Amino acid sequence: DARVTQTPRHKVTEMGQEVTMRCQPILGHNTVFWYRQTMMQGLELLAYFRNRAPLDDSGMPKDRFSAEMPDATLATLKIQPSEPRDSAVYFCASGDRADTQYFGPGTRLTVL
Amino acid sequence: AQSVTQLDSQVPVFEEAPVELRCNYSSSVSVYLFWYVQYPNQGLQLLLKYLSGSTLVKSINGFEAEFNKSQTSFHLRKPSVHISDTAEYFCAVSDRTGGFKTIFGAGTRLFVKA
Repeated sequence: DARVTQTPRHKVTEMGQEVTMRCQPILGHNTVFWYRQTMMQGLELLAYFRNRAPLDDSGMPKDRFSAEMPDATLATLKIQPSEPRDSAVYFCASGDRADTQYFGPGTRLTVL
Repeated sequence: AQSVTQLDSQVPVFEEAPVELRCNYSSSVSVYLFWYVQYPNQGLQLLLKYLSGSTLVKSINGFEAEFNKSQTSFHLRKPSVHISDTAEYFCAVSDRTGGFKTIFGAGTRLFVKA
């Protein structure tokens, strides 16, 4: 049963620290998304890639966030420096067609 | 650009009662429409989708949604809910021509009471 995996599942850090979240998309999926979910803003698209190339990162604060796909099996989302307002659940999703995205379990980030 | 409005943030309902979760969208182009479900502490899962053809689409667990182009709606219904249906439900839309980018609504929390 193919699944999207995300690590870590939970992360508590202090303001100013670097945070790296990792995602392993389903093998063969050529599109990877990063979302952020908060009570106030709901589910926001941060960035997405197709065939490892960034297609849209307009939802991402550029000064502190960066997203990359070093290879087809790994996507990373980094925050440097982290701030309390970054506290949220970050989801990765992957897909190979326009009609379905498969979501990972999420990384719950708490920035103190 | 597309947008999605879910008209109810919370819907409490008794077990075995019918339920409707409302969704309206706006778009200047043809779209795909989706309902995703999120159980506590989990990621979203696709519940059902409208791509083309029959405007009534169904899920394996008894939910159905009808695409209404004139009303720009895609409401989700179930004739008899179970306690296990308690979850958050997200309506979503993607541009048929714009690839995979999907816009999600704010979500509706369905709470089924015994």
